[in-house]
Amino acid sequence: SQTIHQWPATLVQPVGSPLSLECTVEGTSNPNLYWYRQAAGRGLQLLFYSVGIGQISSEVPQNLSASRPQDRQFILSSKKLLLSDSGFYLCAWTDRGFDTGELFFGEGSRLTVL
Amino acid sequence: GQNIDQPTEMTATEGAIVQINCTYQTSGFNGLFWYQQHAGEAPTFLSYNVLDGLEEKGRFSSFLSRSKGYSYLLLKELQMKDSASYLCAVLDSNYQLIWGAGTKLIIKP
Repeated sequence: SQTIHQWPATLVQPVGSPLSLECTVEGTSNPNLYWYRQAAGRGLQLLFYSVGIGQISSEVPQNLSASRPQDRQFILSSKKLLLSDSGFYLCAWTDRGFDTGELFFGEGSRLTVL
Repeated sequence: GQNIDQPTEMTATEGAIVQINCTYQTSGFNGLFWYQQHAGEAPTFLSYNVLDGLEEKGRFSSFLSRSKGYSYLLLKELQMKDSASYLCAVLDSNYQLIWGAGTKLIIKP
C-alpha cells in the first residue's frame, strides 16, 4: 500500500533562518507531488507541484523553493524565513490525472517563525 | 476568478443530521471533493463527485449539481468525533484543485 511521510512534524525557527521540510512517498511510482500551506482558519494554498524529477511548478511567488531530487522525494526549502511563513505545511501526492479521485496527504508540519 | 464558498462554522447536536453547502465558480470542472480535517491534522478524503446526483457512503452523502455550481455534504447520526473542519475542493480544467476555506463543524451533546 502507498504511504506518505513528511518531517519534521513541528518546528520553531527564528526570522532569517533557513528551512527544509522533507516528504517521501512509498508504494507508488511517478506520483504528482504537492506542497500546500494552510494558515489558521484559511483554505489550502498550493505552493508547488511536481509531475516528475526536477520538474517544479510554482504557484505563488515568495521566498520558498521546492526540489524533487528523486521520483518519490519532495523538499520544501527557504534560505531566509519570514514571519509570514508561519503555518501548517502539507505534502500530498496523487497518481497522474487524479485517476482514483483522491489526494493523499502527509501528516503535516507546523512551522512557527518568531 | 475562481471561487469556492462554504459557511465558516456550523453547530449541530449529537445524533442529528447536518448539511454543509458548497458553491463554486471555477474555470472548468473535473470533479468536486469533500475532505475532513480534524484540528492539527491533515485532511482525509471523504467523497468525490463528478456527475450530478447523490453519492452515499455510510453516514456521509455528497450531492452535486453542475448546472447550479453547487454541492452539499450530508452527515447523518452525528457523533462527537465528527467535530472537524470540512473542506470543499473543485478540480478545474487544468486539473488543479481549488480549495474552499472549510466549514468548522461543532457537535454538541
